[in-house]
This record gives sequence, C-alpha cells and structure tokens, in this order.
Amino acid sequence: GQNIDQPTEMTATEGAIVQINCTYQTSGFNGLFWYQQHAGEAPTFLSYNVLDGLEEKGRFSSFLSRSKGYSYLLLKELQMKDSASYLCAVNSGAGSYQLTFGKGTKLSVIP
Amino acid sequence: GAVVSQHPSRVICKSGTSVKIECRSLDFQATTMFWYRQFPKQSLMLMATSNEGSKATYEQGVEKDKFLINHASLTLSTLTVTSAHPEDSSFYICSALRASDSYEQYFGPGTRLTVT
Repeated sequence: GQNIDQPTEMTATEGAIVQINCTYQTSGFNGLFWYQQHAGEAPTFLSYNVLDGLEEKGRFSSFLSRSKGYSYLLLKELQMKDSASYLCAVNSGAGSYQLTFGKGTKLSVIP
Repeated sequence: GAVVSQHPSRVICKSGTSVKIECRSLDFQATTMFWYRQFPKQSLMLMATSNEGSKATYEQGVEKDKFLINHASLTLSTLTVTSAHPEDSSFYICSALRASDSYEQYFGPGTRLTVT
C-alpha cells in the first residue's frame, strides 16, 4: 500500500522559519507535491519535486531525497496568513497519474 | 493561471435523494479529472479518475453505482451522489489535469454536501 507520514500539527512564530517533514513509502514515484489548504477551501499548489534537491520559490522551498523517501517544505519569514494545513502528496502512478495525499500538517502561526 | 470551478459550493439534501455536482475547467482543456472526498480533519481521499469520453476508474471501496461520474467533454465532469445518506456528508473536491502540462492538478473550490 501507499503510506505518507507528516506531523499532525506544528506551531511557529511570525517572522520565523518552519520546516514541515514528509516521509513516504509508495509502490512507485513520479514526483512529490506540496499543497496549502485553508479550512473549508480547496488545496492550492505550492511546489513540485521530481529530482533530488532543493526547489526554491520565494518564501517557500521544498526538498526531496528519493533514496530516503523524504521531503520537507520550508517556510521562511512566516506570516499570519500562512496558518493553514500543508499537504504532502506523491504521484505514485506507474504510467498513469495518481496522487496519494498525506493527512496534512496543521500549521499555526502565532504573533 | 488555470481555473477550475465547482457548482454548487454548498448543498443540503434529504436522505434518499440524489445530488449532482459539476466540475468545469474554465480556461483550459482537461484530459483527466479527479474526484476527491475529504472528511473533517482528514486528508483528501481519491474517489475516482475520469478521462473524457471513457468510463471512470474508481478507487477500491468506492461504489460506482452510488457515485456516478460523467466526463462528457474536455471541460466538464459531473459527480452524482445517488440515494444520499447522512454518512455521505462530506467535502467533495474535483481537480483537473491540464493537457499541456501533465504534472500539476488544478483544484476546484469544493462542494460541501450535507445530507439530512
């Protein structure tokens, strides 16, 4: 089966840096995604990693190590609006496209 | 950017009735659309994958006769919850895969279904 683990909740201070980890064990791997989801809303795309290394996009960065089945999302200069759930998802389809989502990490940013 | 709409955003129905949810890609053609269900404080669970003009592929445990999916065009997919029960109350989210870049799913805003 597919298994994606990430912490349930995290709290960080406004202006700080926070790292959200994700480990995965899937039957296949065709890329890893991070999504942001505010309560009652649909997820919005943050990042995509298919090769090992760091992808940087503004205040958000995402890292992937395929050999370790590990990724992290790094959020810098935290703002109150960053309070949301962050979902790690793996495309595990072999020849097809199939996303498996983790349960999400609820991040609370405090003043 | 790529925009996906869903209609309705919220619906309340009585037990035993059917509800149709529409998912549209507004400014792109979607080769594939996905339907997810999300219960409170849970992650998104894929229900089915639909390709335009062909039958949907349902995930294990999802009843295809209860959750009818029609993908009639490259911009529209519908999910019909038939004979709804209170346990079907959930947040239903569709997403679309754009033909020109096949790695990113674009999500609709979701539909909150409440069955009384």
